[in-house]
Amino acid sequence: DGGITQSPKYLFRKEGQNVTLSCEQNLNHDAMYWYRQDPGQGLRLIYYSQIVNDFQKGDIAEGYSVSREKKESFPLTVTSAQKNPTAFYLCASSIVGDEQYFGPGTRLTVT
Amino acid sequence: LAKTTQPISMDSYEGQEVNITCSHNNIATNDYITWYQQFPSQGPRFIIQGYKTKVTNEVASLFIPADRKSSTLSLPRVSLSDTAVYYCLVGSFSGGYNKLIFGAGTRLAVHP
Repeated sequence: DGGITQSPKYLFRKEGQNVTLSCEQNLNHDAMYWYRQDPGQGLRLIYYSQIVNDFQKGDIAEGYSVSREKKESFPLTVTSAQKNPTAFYLCASSIVGDEQYFGPGTRLTVT
Repeated sequence: LAKTTQPISMDSYEGQEVNITCSHNNIATNDYITWYQQFPSQGPRFIIQGYKTKVTNEVASLFIPADRKSSTLSLPRVSLSDTAVYYCLVGSFSGGYNKLIFGAGTRLAVHP
């Protein structure tokens, strides 16, 4: 059963702590993406990666970091430098040049 | 990247055809048009994609006029389960990367 998994679905953290969101895909896609969505808003691109060991900043990369050590995995770390980390985070993957497939999302709450 | 403009919200009734129009006045030659659907607390789901004229699949049709400055997503005979946010996106695959910009989308409410 192919797809994208994100874990956990809900995540709670205290302010000042770093937190890592997981994203795994078994679709054999080269490209992977991280988006942030705030209530009533569209998605904003945080980071993207076209190939293993390479990634690029999106529109709102400040306060976030990623790694791409394996083709199927693209974890996102929300650092304490991110001023407003509470949001819905979505991971996606695609064949380069094709539509993006999205995971179920992780809702992060920082208090 | 071309910016898109679409209505904030729309209302319809079960069984009706719904047409959502998107404006993208500065679309580039290499840009294609894509529509996604999103339910609350879920990731967006691809609906349809096109470059020009008309594209149809099992769930929707996409109409693109010759000047490509707008596009219309047509959902035939909607049901309550079509209540969702619909995003129109314009992007290109230049450089091998399909960067997409999501606007606020159109909130479609289907009533019984």
